[in-house]
Amino acid sequence: DGGITQSPKYLFRKEGQNVTLSCEQNLNHDAMYWYRQDPGQGLRLIYYSQIVNDFQKGDIAEGYSVSREKKESFPLTVTSAQKNPTAFYLCASSIPGVAKNIQYFGAGTRLSVL
Amino acid sequence: AQSVTQLDSQVPVFEEAPVELRCNYSSSVSVYLFWYVQYPNQGLQLLLKYLSGSTLVESINGFEAEFNKSQTSFHLRKPSVHISDTAEYFCAVSERDAGGTSYGKLTFGQGTILTVHP
Repeated sequence: DGGITQSPKYLFRKEGQNVTLSCEQNLNHDAMYWYRQDPGQGLRLIYYSQIVNDFQKGDIAEGYSVSREKKESFPLTVTSAQKNPTAFYLCASSIPGVAKNIQYFGAGTRLSVL
Repeated sequence: AQSVTQLDSQVPVFEEAPVELRCNYSSSVSVYLFWYVQYPNQGLQLLLKYLSGSTLVESINGFEAEFNKSQTSFHLRKPSVHISDTAEYFCAVSERDAGGTSYGKLTFGQGTILTVHP
């Protein structure tokens, strides 16, 4: 089945630690996105990539980093510089063309600080 | 810059009652509009979309939304809700140019939690 797979489902981070969230898609989509969700704030864009080996900062990129070495993979690293990382993280991908912003979402990773 | 405002953070209703979830947007250019639904601890699922054509769009499970350009609104309605409709609903907007190409970014509203009581 085609879709977007995020792992792990739950993740815990210790003080000063970097952690990486995985996002894999087999939909052959060009564009991929990372969002952060906090209660009552909707979804906020962290980073997005419209093509392999290229990505752009979103609205809240500080304390995060990404890579896009393969079309199907877009991992997100939450660095120690992100002082408030506890949130639900969602990965999405979209199809090209006029309707390229019909975004399809993974099931999410919930990150908590120990 | 574009923005989206969902006017109600929580909407409680009884089963089989009608419901309206309100969404207003702001943009200096033409837009595409979306409603997504999120069940607890899950990702978002596309509920319906307005890209072009008829301003009234419908989903397969009875929801509908109407694009009103003059009022910059895209309210979501359902004439009779079910317990299974309990979820959080997000309105989203994407700007596009005159040729219909989007700029690759969605802006989401803050979400509306719909709770359907028996």
